[in-house]
Amino acid sequence: NAGVTQTPKFRVLKTGQSMTLLCAQDMNHEYMYWYRQDPGMGLRLIHYSVGEGTTAKGEVPDGYNVSRLKKQNFLLGLESAAPSQTSVYFCASSIHGRKSYNEQFFGPGTRLTVL
Amino acid sequence: AQTVTQSQPEMSVQEAETVTLSCTYDTSESDYYLFWYKQPPSRQMILVIRQEAYKQQNATENRFSVNFQKAAKSFSLKISDSQLGDAAMYFCAYRSGVLTGANSKLTFGKGITLSVRP
Repeated sequence: NAGVTQTPKFRVLKTGQSMTLLCAQDMNHEYMYWYRQDPGMGLRLIHYSVGEGTTAKGEVPDGYNVSRLKKQNFLLGLESAAPSQTSVYFCASSIHGRKSYNEQFFGPGTRLTVL
Repeated sequence: AQTVTQSQPEMSVQEAETVTLSCTYDTSESDYYLFWYKQPPSRQMILVIRQEAYKQQNATENRFSVNFQKAAKSFSLKISDSQLGDAAMYFCAYRSGVLTGANSKLTFGKGITLSVRP
């Protein structure tokens, strides 16, 4: 049981390049999230998904797109990377049920640098 | 919108001593959950402890305990018998009890860096 995995762990991009971050979970969770972590800012929600085929915007969605074609995968895309997108990106997943903490399980993070 | 405030950016504690990390939050909801996450240098987010708002009893997990003051909207973390491995960044987080859509997200504070002196 790998939990939540993220690919890649590190990446350096030039301004204007595109890339996709992959998140995979093997816990059959309905909900998945993408957060970004910046110094002094905590983690902020970029996009989230409540199930296969559905996505929605979070607090800081500009410049990102997401897709969830399979329940276990949640992809985060940067179409034209900008230096402001230099950050550490975390994926998380959780079950959905009213009688539980619905704890979010986090991946190990991806450090992205945009030059 | 809910907010979480961690006003102390850094704290230091002597090994084996006790330290308390502060967190306050603002919400108009009555049903919610509070969490403390630990982020060591490996970057992995590790859940330390959690509290349900409607439970008056403070949560404890081994050396970690919370002081949950609902009326004051305060949720502090106490680490007893501090160990070198406790050195990390700690985040306080809030989640609504309305577990639908964007309400299921975690709202994080800015974090506090804890160092442990040997």
